[in-house]
Amino acid sequence: DTAVSQTPKYLVTQMGNDKSIKCEQNLGHDTMYWYKQDSKKFLKIMFSYNNKELIINETVPNRFSPKSPDKAHLNLHINSLELGDSAVYFCASSQDAGPSYNEQFFGPGTRLTVL
Amino acid sequence: GQNIDQPTEMTATEGAIVQINCTYQTSGFNGLFWYQQHAGEAPTFLSYNVLDGLEEKGRFSSFLSRSKGYSYLLLKELQMKDSASYLCAVRPITGGGNKLTFGTGTQLKVEL
Repeated sequence: DTAVSQTPKYLVTQMGNDKSIKCEQNLGHDTMYWYKQDSKKFLKIMFSYNNKELIINETVPNRFSPKSPDKAHLNLHINSLELGDSAVYFCASSQDAGPSYNEQFFGPGTRLTVL
Repeated sequence: GQNIDQPTEMTATEGAIVQINCTYQTSGFNGLFWYQQHAGEAPTFLSYNVLDGLEEKGRFSSFLSRSKGYSYLLLKELQMKDSASYLCAVRPITGGGNKLTFGTGTQLKVEL
């Protein structure tokens, strides 16, 4: 009964490659997010989708392209991987994007290592 | 812009009480969250404050002062399993959106 799941859990790849990370939530939430946590454990939001619509797009290189085929899925595709992309990527979801109290539930993370 | 400050590390003794502080400067304020993150795991929600005052939840309490841009997380009766990173996060946007801006986290070590 996993709430927010991500695949793969670990990803090791060479510089210049293209890779994808998948995320799925079975909580019935309307909003999903991608976060990047760097080596100093700083957690920073990258994107957010509400009902398949992009609502938050932080200053992220356009090599990163999120895709939401439906509100239960939010995938992250990364082109031309660079050393600095090495980090843990967390997917999260919440009930909606409104102003009321709505905690975000995080997936287990994908540890990406670019060699 | 947003600026959130927390101590980098703290050490406390099992059974004791520890207070982890968080100060913030954000453009707009719509709630402050505390998350716990064990090494190699996902952050998990601990508490939420949007009005001034103390919110208590078992061994954990969180306090907010909006005028001072200040919050703290209070952990009582510390247990070894409380050793983790504690992340303060502010939701700066009002009227929509659920963007969270996180601090760098406080690594708490609980010792015997």
